[in-house]
Amino acid sequence: EPEVTQTPSHQVTQMGQEVILHCVPISNHLYFYWYRQILGQKVEFLVSFYNNEISEKSEIFDDQFSVERPDGSNFTLKIRSTKLEDSAMYFCASSEAAGSSYNSPLHFGNGTRLTVT
Amino acid sequence: GQSLEQPSEVTAVEGAIVQINCTYQTSGFYGLSWYQQHDGGAPTFLSYNGLDGLEETGRFSSFLSRSDSYGYLLLQELQMKDSASYFCAVINTGGFKTIFGAGTRLFVKA
Repeated sequence: EPEVTQTPSHQVTQMGQEVILHCVPISNHLYFYWYRQILGQKVEFLVSFYNNEISEKSEIFDDQFSVERPDGSNFTLKIRSTKLEDSAMYFCASSEAAGSSYNSPLHFGNGTRLTVT
Repeated sequence: GQSLEQPSEVTAVEGAIVQINCTYQTSGFYGLSWYQQHDGGAPTFLSYNGLDGLEETGRFSSFLSRSDSYGYLLLQELQMKDSASYFCAVINTGGFKTIFGAGTRLFVKA
């Protein structure tokens, strides 16, 4: 079964540094998402992306964050200047169509655990 | 804004039936989904309700009442492997944003 692939699985960085998290969505999917989950807490929506532009973003997704689809397969999340509170598990997801209908659920990758020291 | 309420924890025994409730408030509603997440794992899709009523997928069923802004996930014939967190999630109008509840941690005991 096709899956969403995220790299690296764990990223440690110092406060103020830039990080780029990488994702390869499922190949025939058109909608891409980033979520984050602070340990033991809920899965928080960051951004959705379709047709090479942001469709929706949350209040968390401020100017420090950006997303890019640099080629036909990758989808990246960049955090420009990391803060301690950015430490979390970051999940990439993709879906074949918009929303999370029965025929088009969100498929999540295994996540990148970001630790900011 | 959007908010979802679900119990933080539920405990049940193997073979039993458990119901996890979810109430939501949202400015635009498209549908309600349920996801399962084991410790250290990624959320995985379980079920979706776009219309009122019951959807059944094997041992799992999900229900939605749009007029009551309420849904539930029903897990039957509980197994130890069902011990996980379960999230209800609202898909907003347009479908580009899925907002998750805080999750219900299910403990299944032998």
